[in-house]
Amino acid sequence: EAQVTQNPRYLITVTGKKLTVTCSQNMNHEYMSWYRQDPGLGLRQIYYSMNVEVTDKGDVPEGYKVSRKEKRNFPLILESPSPNQTSLYFCASSRVGQDIQYFGAGTRLSVL
Amino acid sequence: DAKTTQPNSMESNEEEPVHLPCNHSTISGTDYIHWYRQLPSQGPEYVIHGLTSNVNNRMASLAIAEDRKSSTLILHRATLRDAAVYYCILRGNTPLVFGKGTRLSVIA
Repeated sequence: EAQVTQNPRYLITVTGKKLTVTCSQNMNHEYMSWYRQDPGLGLRQIYYSMNVEVTDKGDVPEGYKVSRKEKRNFPLILESPSPNQTSLYFCASSRVGQDIQYFGAGTRLSVL
Repeated sequence: DAKTTQPNSMESNEEEPVHLPCNHSTISGTDYIHWYRQLPSQGPEYVIHGLTSNVNNRMASLAIAEDRKSSTLILHRATLRDAAVYYCILRGNTPLVFGKGTRLSVIA
């Protein structure tokens, strides 16, 4: 079954404690992306990757890092989380170009 | 990126057709029109997409105006499960950019 898997689904942490949210897809997609969703602001793109070792900033990249060492994985790294990064995060993947995107189930992060 | 305009919210009765409009007057010739929806507490899911011709799939139909400056997503018989936020997005060779979408409420 085609899937985008995010882990963990829920995470509560404290300010400054480094964390990683993993994202994995089993569809051999070149393109992967991270979004955050906040009430009243909709879905905003954080980072995206067109292929292995190719990443680029989205609309709200500050405070986040990503890496794309393998095609299937695209982890989101918060080196020093802050309360304003409390949000719902989604990972997505697709073939490059105009193809449809598949989204993960989401990770709800609370930074205290 | 070319922008889209959608109503903030719409309401439908169960079992009736729903027409969700989207205006995209600055669409370029290579932009595809994509529709996604987000059910409560879930990630967005693909609904349908098209370039110039009308499209049908098991979930919905997409009617595209001849000048491509507007489109309509058609749910033929709304069910309670169709209550969601529907996003109309133009996609060229660039990442998806989500607007605020239309919140569809379905009344039993």
